[in-house]
Amino acid sequence: DIQMTQSPSSLSASVGDRVTITCRASQSIGSFLNWYQQKPAKAPKLLIYTSSNLQSGVPSRFSGSGSGTDFTLTITSLQPEDFATYYCQQSYSTQVTFGGGTKVEI
Amino acid sequence: DVQLVESGGGLVQPGGSLRLSCAASGFTFSSYDMHWVRQVPGKGLEWVSNIGTAGDTYYPDSVKGRFTISRENAKNSLYLQMNSLRAGDTAVYYCVRAVVLYGMDVWGQGTTVIVSS
Repeated sequence: DIQMTQSPSSLSASVGDRVTITCRASQSIGSFLNWYQQKPAKAPKLLIYTSSNLQSGVPSRFSGSGSGTDFTLTITSLQPEDFATYYCQQSYSTQVTFGGGTKVEI
Repeated sequence: DVQLVESGGGLVQPGGSLRLSCAASGFTFSSYDMHWVRQVPGKGLEWVSNIGTAGDTYYPDSVKGRFTISRENAKNSLYLQMNSLRAGDTAVYYCVRAVVLYGMDVWGQGTTVIVSS
Protein backbone atom coordinates (compact mmCIF):
# COMPACT_ATOMS: atom_id res chain seq x y z
CA ASP A 1 0.00 0.00 0.00
CA ILE A 2 1.03 3.59 -0.61
CA GLN A 3 1.70 5.41 2.63
CA MET A 4 0.88 9.12 2.85
CA THR A 5 2.80 11.17 5.41
CA GLN A 6 1.62 14.68 6.27
CA SER A 7 3.59 17.30 8.12
CA PRO A 8 3.23 18.94 10.45
CA SER A 9 0.52 17.06 12.37
CA SER A 10 -0.59 20.36 13.83
CA LEU A 11 0.32 24.00 13.60
CA SER A 12 -0.61 27.26 15.23
CA ALA A 13 -1.26 30.26 13.04
CA SER A 14 -2.93 33.62 13.04
CA VAL A 15 -5.47 35.23 10.76
CA GLY A 16 -3.61 36.59 7.75
CA ASP A 17 -0.74 34.10 7.96
CA ARG A 18 0.51 32.05 5.03
CA VAL A 19 0.25 28.34 5.87
CA THR A 20 1.96 25.45 4.11
CA ILE A 21 1.17 21.77 4.67
CA THR A 22 3.18 19.01 3.05
CA CYS A 23 2.26 15.49 2.06
CA ARG A 24 4.74 12.83 0.99
CA ALA A 25 3.86 9.57 -0.73
CA SER A 26 5.86 6.39 -0.17
CA GLN A 27 6.10 5.94 -3.97
CA SER A 28 5.43 8.08 -7.00
CA ILE A 29 1.75 8.83 -7.51
CA GLY A 30 2.02 11.25 -10.41
CA SER A 31 -0.47 14.02 -9.74
CA PHE A 32 -3.13 11.78 -8.20
CA LEU A 33 -3.26 13.74 -4.96
CA ASN A 34 -6.29 15.40 -3.43
CA TRP A 35 -6.72 17.68 -0.40
CA TYR A 36 -9.68 17.86 1.97
CA GLN A 37 -10.74 20.18 4.77
CA GLN A 38 -12.68 18.90 7.75
CA LYS A 39 -14.29 20.92 10.50
CA PRO A 40 -15.46 19.39 13.79
CA ALA A 41 -18.51 17.14 13.50
CA LYS A 42 -18.68 17.73 9.73
CA ALA A 43 -17.90 15.57 6.74
CA PRO A 44 -14.69 16.34 4.84
CA LYS A 45 -14.86 18.79 1.96
CA LEU A 46 -12.81 18.50 -1.23
CA LEU A 47 -10.52 21.50 -1.72
CA ILE A 48 -7.97 20.51 -4.37
CA TYR A 49 -8.00 17.61 -6.83
CA THR A 50 -5.24 16.16 -8.96
CA SER A 51 -2.58 18.08 -7.06
CA SER A 52 -3.35 21.62 -8.17
CA ASN A 53 -6.94 21.96 -9.37
CA LEU A 54 -9.22 24.08 -7.21
CA GLN A 55 -12.63 22.51 -6.56
CA SER A 56 -15.56 24.68 -7.59
CA GLY A 57 -16.55 27.15 -4.88
CA VAL A 58 -13.27 26.92 -2.97
CA PRO A 59 -11.61 30.29 -2.33
CA SER A 60 -8.55 31.11 -4.40
CA ARG A 61 -6.41 31.53 -1.26
CA PHE A 62 -6.12 27.73 -1.33
CA SER A 63 -3.63 26.25 -3.77
CA GLY A 64 -1.89 22.95 -4.29
CA SER A 65 1.29 21.87 -6.01
CA GLY A 66 3.59 18.93 -6.48
CA SER A 67 3.98 15.70 -8.37
CA GLY A 68 5.63 12.34 -7.87
CA THR A 69 6.06 11.96 -4.12
CA ASP A 70 6.02 15.48 -2.69
CA PHE A 71 3.00 17.74 -2.51
CA THR A 72 2.04 21.00 -0.84
CA LEU A 73 -1.18 22.70 0.20
CA THR A 74 -0.83 26.43 0.70
CA ILE A 75 -3.30 28.81 2.28
CA THR A 76 -2.42 32.43 1.67
CA SER A 77 -3.85 34.88 4.18
CA LEU A 78 -5.51 32.45 6.61
CA GLN A 79 -9.12 33.31 7.43
CA PRO A 80 -11.07 32.47 10.62
CA GLU A 81 -13.11 29.85 8.76
CA ASP A 82 -9.92 28.05 7.67
CA PHE A 83 -9.15 26.71 11.14
CA ALA A 84 -9.77 23.03 10.55
CA THR A 85 -8.02 19.73 9.89
CA TYR A 86 -6.61 19.07 6.43
CA TYR A 87 -6.03 15.67 4.84
CA CYS A 88 -4.25 14.57 1.71
CA GLN A 89 -5.38 11.48 -0.19
CA GLN A 90 -3.88 9.54 -3.07
CA SER A 91 -6.08 8.15 -5.83
CA TYR A 92 -3.22 6.65 -7.87
CA SER A 93 -3.87 3.19 -6.48
CA THR A 94 -7.16 1.35 -6.16
CA GLN A 95 -6.08 0.99 -2.51
CA VAL A 96 -6.92 4.56 -1.53
CA THR A 97 -4.97 6.03 1.37
CA PHE A 98 -5.17 9.23 3.38
CA GLY A 99 -2.54 11.18 5.21
CA GLY A 100 -2.79 11.43 8.97
CA GLY A 101 -4.11 14.99 8.91
CA THR A 102 -2.86 18.44 9.85
CA LYS A 103 -4.80 20.42 12.42
CA VAL A 104 -4.57 24.17 11.88
CA GLU A 105 -5.22 25.96 15.16
CA ILE A 106 -5.16 29.52 16.37
CA ASP B 1 -29.21 18.99 -5.13
CA VAL B 2 -26.56 16.31 -5.15
CA GLN B 3 -26.94 14.36 -1.93
CA LEU B 4 -25.83 11.19 -0.15
CA VAL B 5 -27.72 9.99 2.91
CA GLU B 6 -26.41 7.11 5.00
CA SER B 7 -28.46 4.92 7.29
CA GLY B 8 -28.16 1.66 9.19
CA GLY B 9 -25.64 2.54 11.84
CA GLY B 10 -26.11 1.55 15.45
CA LEU B 11 -24.86 -0.49 18.37
CA VAL B 12 -23.79 -4.07 17.67
CA GLN B 13 -21.98 -6.69 19.72
CA PRO B 14 -18.51 -7.90 18.78
CA GLY B 15 -18.80 -10.64 16.17
CA GLY B 16 -22.10 -9.27 14.97
CA SER B 17 -23.20 -7.91 11.61
CA LEU B 18 -24.60 -4.66 10.31
CA ARG B 19 -25.64 -3.40 6.89
CA LEU B 20 -25.16 0.25 6.02
CA SER B 21 -27.11 1.89 3.22
CA CYS B 22 -26.52 5.08 1.28
CA ALA B 23 -29.24 6.76 -0.78
CA ALA B 24 -27.98 8.91 -3.62
CA SER B 25 -29.90 11.68 -5.34
CA GLY B 26 -29.35 14.54 -7.73
CA PHE B 27 -26.86 12.81 -10.03
CA THR B 28 -26.51 9.76 -12.29
CA PHE B 29 -25.50 7.28 -9.62
CA SER B 30 -24.48 4.53 -12.04
CA SER B 31 -21.82 6.76 -13.60
CA TYR B 32 -19.71 7.17 -10.48
CA ASP B 33 -17.31 5.16 -8.39
CA MET B 34 -18.51 5.03 -4.80
CA HIS B 35 -16.56 4.62 -1.58
CA TRP B 36 -17.04 4.06 2.10
CA VAL B 37 -14.66 5.99 4.35
CA ARG B 38 -14.66 5.77 8.14
CA GLN B 39 -13.39 7.89 10.97
CA VAL B 40 -12.90 7.05 14.59
CA PRO B 41 -13.97 10.15 16.56
CA GLY B 42 -10.95 12.38 17.07
CA LYS B 43 -8.84 10.37 14.60
CA GLY B 44 -8.06 10.47 10.90
CA LEU B 45 -9.85 9.21 7.81
CA GLU B 46 -9.61 5.56 6.79
CA TRP B 47 -10.74 4.25 3.42
CA VAL B 48 -12.94 1.16 3.83
CA SER B 49 -14.03 0.09 0.36
CA ASN B 50 -14.69 1.13 -3.22
CA ILE B 51 -16.98 -0.09 -5.96
CA GLY B 52 -16.51 0.97 -9.54
CA THR B 53 -19.12 1.61 -12.18
CA ALA B 54 -18.59 -1.91 -13.51
CA GLY B 55 -19.06 -3.45 -10.07
CA ASP B 56 -15.37 -4.02 -9.38
CA THR B 57 -14.65 -3.88 -5.66
CA TYR B 58 -11.61 -3.06 -3.53
CA TYR B 59 -10.84 -3.28 0.18
CA PRO B 60 -7.95 -2.62 2.54
CA ASP B 61 -6.57 -5.59 4.43
CA SER B 62 -8.21 -4.35 7.64
CA VAL B 63 -11.71 -5.23 6.38
CA LYS B 64 -11.08 -7.66 3.52
CA GLY B 65 -13.09 -10.85 3.98
CA ARG B 66 -15.38 -9.22 6.55
CA PHE B 67 -16.95 -6.29 4.68
CA THR B 68 -18.75 -6.38 1.33
CA ILE B 69 -19.60 -3.31 -0.71
CA SER B 70 -22.39 -3.46 -3.28
CA ARG B 71 -24.55 -1.14 -5.31
CA GLU B 72 -28.04 -1.21 -6.77
CA ASN B 73 -28.10 1.33 -9.56
CA ALA B 74 -31.83 0.97 -10.17
CA LYS B 75 -32.40 2.18 -6.62
CA ASN B 76 -29.54 4.71 -6.57
CA SER B 77 -28.22 2.92 -3.53
CA LEU B 78 -24.89 1.86 -2.09
CA TYR B 79 -24.49 -0.73 0.63
CA LEU B 80 -21.85 -1.99 3.05
CA GLN B 81 -22.39 -5.39 4.63
CA MET B 82 -20.20 -5.64 7.72
CA ASN B 83 -19.65 -9.04 9.33
CA SER B 84 -17.48 -10.27 12.21
CA LEU B 85 -17.43 -6.77 13.62
CA ARG B 86 -14.71 -5.79 16.08
CA ALA B 87 -14.34 -2.95 18.56
CA GLY B 88 -11.85 -1.39 16.16
CA ASP B 89 -14.61 -0.99 13.57
CA THR B 90 -16.32 1.58 15.79
CA ALA B 91 -16.42 4.78 13.75
CA VAL B 92 -18.48 7.20 11.73
CA TYR B 93 -18.96 5.73 8.26
CA TYR B 94 -19.24 8.08 5.30
CA CYS B 95 -20.63 7.30 1.87
CA VAL B 96 -18.60 9.15 -0.77
CA ARG B 97 -18.84 9.84 -4.49
CA ALA B 98 -15.58 9.88 -6.41
CA VAL B 99 -13.95 10.24 -9.77
CA VAL B 100 -10.29 9.22 -10.01
CA LEU B 101 -9.20 12.45 -11.66
CA TYR B 102 -11.50 14.68 -9.62
CA GLY B 103 -11.31 13.39 -6.07
CA MET B 104 -14.00 12.51 -3.54
CA ASP B 105 -16.32 15.39 -4.23
CA VAL B 106 -19.57 14.49 -2.45
CA TRP B 107 -19.79 13.13 1.10
CA GLY B 108 -22.75 12.02 3.12
CA GLN B 109 -23.31 13.21 6.68
CA GLY B 110 -22.11 9.90 8.11
CA THR B 111 -23.67 7.13 10.17
CA THR B 112 -22.21 5.93 13.46
CA VAL B 113 -21.35 2.31 14.13
CA ILE B 114 -20.51 1.27 17.68
CA VAL B 115 -19.21 -2.23 18.32
CA SER B 116 -19.45 -3.00 22.02
CA SER B 117 -20.77 -5.59 24.40
